[in-house]
Amino acid sequence: QVQLVQSGAEVKKPGASVNVSCKASGYTFSNYAMHWVRQAPGQGLEWMGWISVVNGDTKYSQKFQGRVIITTDTSASTAYLELSRLTFEDTAVYYCTKSFGTILGAASGSWGQGTLVTISS
Amino acid sequence: QSVLTQPPSVSGAPGQRVTISCTGTSSNIGTGYDVHWYQQLPGTAPKLLIYGYTNRPSGVPARFSGSKSGTTASLAISGLQADDEADYYCQSYDRSLVVFGGGTKLTVL
Repeated sequence: QVQLVQSGAEVKKPGASVNVSCKASGYTFSNYAMHWVRQAPGQGLEWMGWISVVNGDTKYSQKFQGRVIITTDTSASTAYLELSRLTFEDTAVYYCTKSFGTILGAASGSWGQGTLVTISS
Repeated sequence: QSVLTQPPSVSGAPGQRVTISCTGTSSNIGTGYDVHWYQQLPGTAPKLLIYGYTNRPSGVPARFSGSKSGTTASLAISGLQADDEADYYCQSYDRSLVVFGGGTKLTVL
């Protein structure tokens, strides 16, 4: 079955960068797309961006444009989220999700367990 | 402010039917872009409940159903059970980006 296993919790200082990884198994990684979604404490879901593993196309929320980079390593079936210039407002649980297909509007059929990123001075 | 508007909370007694609305605009639901629904139980990752307005992934009970009318999508839950108590989110596509509703907390009385 599809599994998305994310890297462990991180504590970062303001201004730093964080990298979160998401290792996929149970399906052909290169045939689908991946999203990254975050959830601040007590808040709703917020879409950050998407990568088509098929062709490497990316799309980012305007809110994070210039601060976020999503990449994949197909040989390792792993997706990565890099978020830079962190502020306290970036404290959240970050989720990777596997898209049903390759188009941006497809549903997220599987989710990782989440990675808590805490920004603290 | 979310592009898709959901009521902050709904409630119902066990066995009842509740609906959760997701109101969009002509740039998302009104254009015909798909709406998907997710259930998030406390302390867990979201789970896909409905995709493409009305389709249920394998394993999701038929008690959960989706519909659309104009610029509003709706999630209906019939035969309410205690373990349906969760947060529910709608998701769609708007101007080349993915958007979520603000979420609705379902309380089973």
